[in-house]
Amino acid sequence: AQSVTQPDIHITVSEGASLELRCNYSYGATPYLFWYVQSPGQGLQLLLKYFSGDTLVQGIKGFEAEFKRSQSSFNLRKPSVHWSDAAEYFCAVGSYGQNFVFGPGTRLSVLP
Amino acid sequence: EAGVAQSPRYKIIEKRQSVAFWCNPISGHATLYWYQQILGQGPKLLIQFQNNGVVDDSQLPKDRFSAERLKGVDSTLKIQPAKLEDSAVYLCASSLVEGTGELFFGEGSRLTVL
Repeated sequence: AQSVTQPDIHITVSEGASLELRCNYSYGATPYLFWYVQSPGQGLQLLLKYFSGDTLVQGIKGFEAEFKRSQSSFNLRKPSVHWSDAAEYFCAVGSYGQNFVFGPGTRLSVLP
Repeated sequence: EAGVAQSPRYKIIEKRQSVAFWCNPISGHATLYWYQQILGQGPKLLIQFQNNGVVDDSQLPKDRFSAERLKGVDSTLKIQPAKLEDSAVYLCASSLVEGTGELFFGEGSRLTVL
């Protein structure tokens, strides 16, 4: 069965610092991979997605993620965090015709 | 472009009462999803519609939850009778192309069961 783990429940970084959020998945075939962001009281918004091809994908708001098949990982990165990035981040995995599974989320706090 | 609309935003009920949530997806989106998000967890799929047909309802507790999308546009999710463990945010999402995972979410309906 497919599953997603996000090892970090809560991460705190200072504004301007770099960020990496970890995501590991278990899936039988080559998956589609996603990162979503959820601000307090809001729905989820798609940050970026990987279907195939270049393993480094760019998303909105300056985020990027790298697919590493050998490590079954899809970590999210941002070189310089802004206070407005404070939110909950969810990694999701699935494939065409299959339901998508979300990870438990990582809550990001940003210190001024 | 209007986003996914959900109502009500907040609902407080007592256990064994009933509640209904409404969702209107983005115009033209044939696929509609209802997710349950319990505090501290990721969203869990309850049911997926393609137009007005059910694609997957394997995780829907059918003894108390029901959902419909009669005309292939808006949808209603009902819980009757509610239990304490149903306290959660109920998220509606829609997508233009089924199976790609590019979901557009509404703001959610937060249910508190006392």
